[in-house]
Amino acid sequence: GQQVMQIPQYQHVQEGEDFTTYCNSSTTLSNIQWYKQRPGGHPVFLIQLVKSGEVKKQKRLTFQFGEAKKNSSLHITATQTTDVGTYFCAGCAAGNKLTFGGGTRVLVKP
Amino acid sequence: GAGVSQSPSNKVTEKGKDVELRCDPISGHTALYWYRQRLGQGLEFLIYFQGNSAPDKSGLPSDRFSAERTGESVSTLTIQRTQQEDSAVYLCASSFNRGNEQYFGPGTRLTVT
Repeated sequence: GQQVMQIPQYQHVQEGEDFTTYCNSSTTLSNIQWYKQRPGGHPVFLIQLVKSGEVKKQKRLTFQFGEAKKNSSLHITATQTTDVGTYFCAGCAAGNKLTFGGGTRVLVKP
Repeated sequence: GAGVSQSPSNKVTEKGKDVELRCDPISGHTALYWYRQRLGQGLEFLIYFQGNSAPDKSGLPSDRFSAERTGESVSTLTIQRTQQEDSAVYLCASSFNRGNEQYFGPGTRLTVT
């Protein structure tokens, strides 16, 4: 079945620095979604990418969908303490089934 | 409008007892999902409902787990003869249709003693 892998599993970043987290699917996707879960909270939808090579920005967050529509990345610039949480990607493939990755847990050092 | 709601927010039960968790999806959302999230872990898919179609039960970990949904309304997840390894947060989500963005409820934290 479809598998979605995220790396790294943990990301320790100094406040003010940039980092990137990656999402890779075993199958070609029709779309990819990103969610953020704050500590103690529930996942909240951030964005959806549909087109090959698509890039979308939300303030300091930049999301990219790979040309082959099998991978995606999330880049955060000038990390802030409000960025703490777990970022999940979710790939939508055959039958519109959404499969979540294992998440990247982001910890920010002030 | 109102988001996805779940009840109870917390449930402590003794090993061997049955529990029932409830989810109220967003009105008009045809798709409903249940996930399990153990402490510090990712989202483990349990079951998916789409309208009146047969549910996708492929994620249910054992026959102690079952879920029901009538049409596009409330869903209940039942765990029979609870075990300590069932302790987790159970999250419900709904979406307009399968493949659309999912809206999650606050979850039910289940503790089996």
